[in-house]
Amino acid sequence: DAKTTQPTSMDCAEGRAANLPCNHSTISGNEYVYWYRQIHSQGPQYIIHGLKNNETNEMASLIITEDRKSSTLILPHATLRDTAVYYCIVRALSRQLTFGSGTQLTVLP
Amino acid sequence: ETGVTQTPRHLVMGMTNKKSLKCEQHLGHNAMYWYKQSAKKPLELMFVYNFKEQTENNSVPSRFSPECPNSSHLFLHLHTLQPEDSALYLCASSQDQGNYGYTFGSGTRLTVV
Repeated sequence: DAKTTQPTSMDCAEGRAANLPCNHSTISGNEYVYWYRQIHSQGPQYIIHGLKNNETNEMASLIITEDRKSSTLILPHATLRDTAVYYCIVRALSRQLTFGSGTQLTVLP
Repeated sequence: ETGVTQTPRHLVMGMTNKKSLKCEQHLGHNAMYWYKQSAKKPLELMFVYNFKEQTENNSVPSRFSPECPNSSHLFLHLHTLQPEDSALYLCASSQDQGNYGYTFGSGTRLTVV
């Protein structure tokens, strides 16, 4: 699976958009970009995934660059409950889900 | 509740004890997974079961013994653990091994004393 690079930590003001970047410059054509988050001491929670088109659901939007070498997860109106570790994972469907260190997002009041 | 239930939530055991962790899902999924999360470390995949058959064992020591009696239940039997085995043990399930989304339980916080 392609390696991903994420900032260790980020802050965001409550009510503002949180934009979490992820670099995956070695991504292969059959690999998807997944985002999960883990609130302290809970199991990870699936957020969104995409292959090459931008995706949106009730939780977030995923913007993938045209060359697919990077992506951004957008939480449009961050709340305190969005404070968590966010994992960007690149994975082919035939492979297991492998987690890196993620980005600790802290939403500030 | 995510649909994946893990029991117990917390467990303290001595190094000579034998205990079991239980995971149950009623999502109709066919693949189940055990992950370990030690303090300040990323999640590590331990075991994978697909249609009750173990398909992956990531060099896990034999003091951890998984069991999958059916597609809804997964156990992790523990014996003669070491203090460094203290961690959060997470169970997950997915429709099958190739499916997009994994659903995780809340985990069992294990402390070995």
